[in-house]
Amino acid sequence: AQSVTQPDIHITVSEGASLELRCNYSYGATPYLFWYVQSPGQGLQLLLKYFSGDTLVQGIKGFEAEFKRSQSSFNLRKPSVHWSDAAEYFCAVGSSSGGGADGLTFGKGTHLIIQP
Amino acid sequence: DVKVTQSSRYLVKRTGEKVFLECVQDMDHENMFWYRQDPGLGLRLIYFSYDVKMKEKGDIPEGYSVSREKKERFSLILESASTNQTSMYLCASSPAGSRTGELFFGEGSRLTVL
Repeated sequence: AQSVTQPDIHITVSEGASLELRCNYSYGATPYLFWYVQSPGQGLQLLLKYFSGDTLVQGIKGFEAEFKRSQSSFNLRKPSVHWSDAAEYFCAVGSSSGGGADGLTFGKGTHLIIQP
Repeated sequence: DVKVTQSSRYLVKRTGEKVFLECVQDMDHENMFWYRQDPGLGLRLIYFSYDVKMKEKGDIPEGYSVSREKKERFSLILESASTNQTSMYLCASSPAGSRTGELFFGEGSRLTVL
């Protein structure tokens, strides 16, 4: 069975500083990987996704993530955070064989706090 | 843009009541999902459906049922609500044969059971 681990429950970063959110996955084949963001009281919005090709993926809002197969990781990065980036971030893995019909498996989330 | 609409953003119900959470998507997606979100537990899959009248159990189906009578609508039913079902419920959809399985989410329904 596939699984996702986000080791950091909370992260506090100063505005303007760089950010890295960690994600490790467990999946037997080549995974489909996602990062979603959830602002308070809202649903989830897709930041970026990886399913093949270049292991460095660019997303919206200036985020990027790098797929490292050897480390089973898909860490999210941003060079300079803004106060509006304060939110909950979820990493997710999908099955490459399911055609999307069986959904995604999510990590428990990382709560990002931005200090002024 | 894909639009997934959850009819109730906030509900307050009493223990033992029957609760319906409705979800409608306007992009003709075949796959629809109900997740439950709790602090520290992330999102957990309750039920999903890949076609009209079809349903599959997810990871935590106990205490829930679903209905999919029309392609665009997927309902989550709590037959007899209990306090441990107080949670945020998220509906999502995706097209059939999606290469990546990307999900499109609604804004969520926050249910409080007293």
